Amino acid sequence: GENVEQHPSTLSVQEGDSAVIKCTYSDSASNYFPWYKQELGKRPQLIIDIRSNVGEKKDQRIAVTLNKTAKHFSLHITETQPEDSAVYFCAATGDSGYALNFGKGTSLLVTP
Amino acid sequence: SAVISQKPSRDICQRGTSLTIQCQVDSQVTMMFWYRQQPGQSLTLIATANQGSEATYESGFVIDKFPISRPNLTFSTLTVSNMSPEDSSIYLCSGAGGRNEQFFGPGTRLTVL
Repeated sequence: GENVEQHPSTLSVQEGDSAVIKCTYSDSASNYFPWYKQELGKRPQLIIDIRSNVGEKKDQRIAVTLNKTAKHFSLHITETQPEDSAVYFCAATGDSGYALNFGKGTSLLVTP
Repeated sequence: SAVISQKPSRDICQRGTSLTIQCQVDSQVTMMFWYRQQPGQSLTLIATANQGSEATYESGFVIDKFPISRPNLTFSTLTVSNMSPEDSSIYLCSGAGGRNEQFFGPGTRLTVL
């Protein structure tokens, strides 16, 4: 099955700095790569996604890049704010094309 | 985005008993899924809930332990059977539309004593 590796497991940045989280996947058939933000005690929230026919997507302060050849994709958060502090999960579609396999998560801390 | 609700939100159960978790979505979704999330861990897919047919289980999960129903497009149940303390976890349902975007319910926090 699909294996999604995510790094780093923890990330601490100063407010205003950028944060980058990287993921790799194993199944070349994967075609959909979402990113979720999960605050403590809350459900995962979809923040951005990218499909295999696109190399980069941006939404205000967040962007995602995809390198299909290398099978890796990254989340970039610019001008970080304390409210960006949360656990971020990357995911990739597996064999079915719909079900998601998740990375282990990155705990992001943005300090004022 | 789809609005997804679950109930109960939490429960404390005795070992050997079973608990059924309900999931309702407010719009017709193509797919529904059930995940488990241990505290401080990632999400692990249990199964895909198929409308009107048996669910598709991931490796390590079996129908006898986690029977799933999906009688229509917007409703699904997950039963955790013959519970043990190892089943203590958060159980999340999700729904996905035609564009793969998957949205999660608030989760059910289960504690087995």
